[in-house]
Amino acid sequence: DGGITQSPKYLFRKEGQNVTLSCEQNLNHDAMYWYRQDPGQGLRLIYYSQIVNDFQKGDIAEGYSVSREKKESFPLTVTSAQKNPTAFYLCASNLGGYQPQHFGDGTRLSIL
Amino acid sequence: GQQVMQIPQYQHVQEGEDFTTYCNSSTTLSNIQWYKQRPGGHPVFLIQLVKSGEVKKQKRLTFQFGEAKKNSSLHITATQTTDVGTYFCAGPRDYKLSFGAGTTVTVRA
Repeated sequence: DGGITQSPKYLFRKEGQNVTLSCEQNLNHDAMYWYRQDPGQGLRLIYYSQIVNDFQKGDIAEGYSVSREKKESFPLTVTSAQKNPTAFYLCASNLGGYQPQHFGDGTRLSIL
Repeated sequence: GQQVMQIPQYQHVQEGEDFTTYCNSSTTLSNIQWYKQRPGGHPVFLIQLVKSGEVKKQKRLTFQFGEAKKNSSLHITATQTTDVGTYFCAGPRDYKLSFGAGTTVTVRA
């Protein structure tokens, strides 16, 4: 079954700690995206990558970092510089541009 | 940058009734997409509209793209409990999608 796998489903971060959220897809999609969702605020783009070894900042990139070393994988690191990391994080992928996006099940990050 | 605005933010519907949610843009859109997110779930693509004035139906859901391609609507007929969730529209912006804040639908049985 083709799809996007995000792990873990739940994650807790201690103050001053960096944590990494995993996103893997086997849809052979070129583009991948990370969104943050807070209650009542829709989806805000953190980072996106349209091709391997290249990525761009989205609207709220501060305190986050990404890498795209493989087509299938687009991990997101929430750094200690992100002072309000509690949110629902969604990874998505598509063939690129304005094609429909496919989403993973998400990771819920909380502060300990 | 271009943003899409959705109204209303919340829609409380009696089971069996109809309702409409709207998506508006200040600029012309080349296309508009609609997604549904069930409570606790992830957004799922529903449909894409491309042509001016386009109307597409999916069972009880009717999607419309405005003549000026600046607005879109989703009309649900005879609402059921399975329609519960948040409906997002998304428009293109700088080779990405810009999502609206969504309309969260609850249904009274």
